[in-house]
Amino acid sequence: DAKTTQPTSMDCAEGRAANLPCNHSTISGNEYVYWYRQIHSQGPQYIIHGLKNNETNEMASLIITEDRKSSTLILPHATLRDTAVYYCIVRVGGANNLFFGTGTRLTVIP
Amino acid sequence: GAVVSQHPSRVICKSGTSVKIECRSLDFQATTMFWYRQFPKQSLMLMATSNEGSKATYEQGVEKDKFLINHASLTLSTLTVTSAHPEDSSFYICSARATINQPQHFGDGTRLSIL
Repeated sequence: DAKTTQPTSMDCAEGRAANLPCNHSTISGNEYVYWYRQIHSQGPQYIIHGLKNNETNEMASLIITEDRKSSTLILPHATLRDTAVYYCIVRVGGANNLFFGTGTRLTVIP
Repeated sequence: GAVVSQHPSRVICKSGTSVKIECRSLDFQATTMFWYRQFPKQSLMLMATSNEGSKATYEQGVEKDKFLINHASLTLSTLTVTSAHPEDSSFYICSARATINQPQHFGDGTRLSIL
């Protein structure tokens, strides 16, 4: 599976949009981009995933560049409860496991 | 949404004890379940993958005789840490997936402390 690069940490003001970037320049055509987050002392929570089209659900939006070498997870109105480590993972469709890198620690500030 | 339940959430026990952790998919049938371990300030590391009705596949460096995995049904997998020692103290997390193209959903983890 392709490797991803994320900033180590980010801050975001409460109520503002949080934009979390991820680089995956070696992604191949059959690899999906997945986003999970882990709040302290809990298991990871699935957020969203996509292949090449932008995706939106009740939690977030996923914007994938046309060349698919990078993506951005957008939390439209960050709350204090969104403080967590966010993991961007690329995975071949049908592949077994997810490889968790170090992620981005997002801190939402009041 | 998909719910994975993990039990117990916390275990404290003496060295040499065997500990069983259960992972259940509550509202879907999980053909594949995964067991991860997470040490403090580190990311999740996959320990093993299990498919219902077959033997688990362990990652390199994970002792299959120490970490026994059973996936006897489509909604339940268990991890037994046999003869646990202090170095086995960690946060153990399971996840489950309905089909190969579905996302994995995770339990809330079990914090194991061996005294």
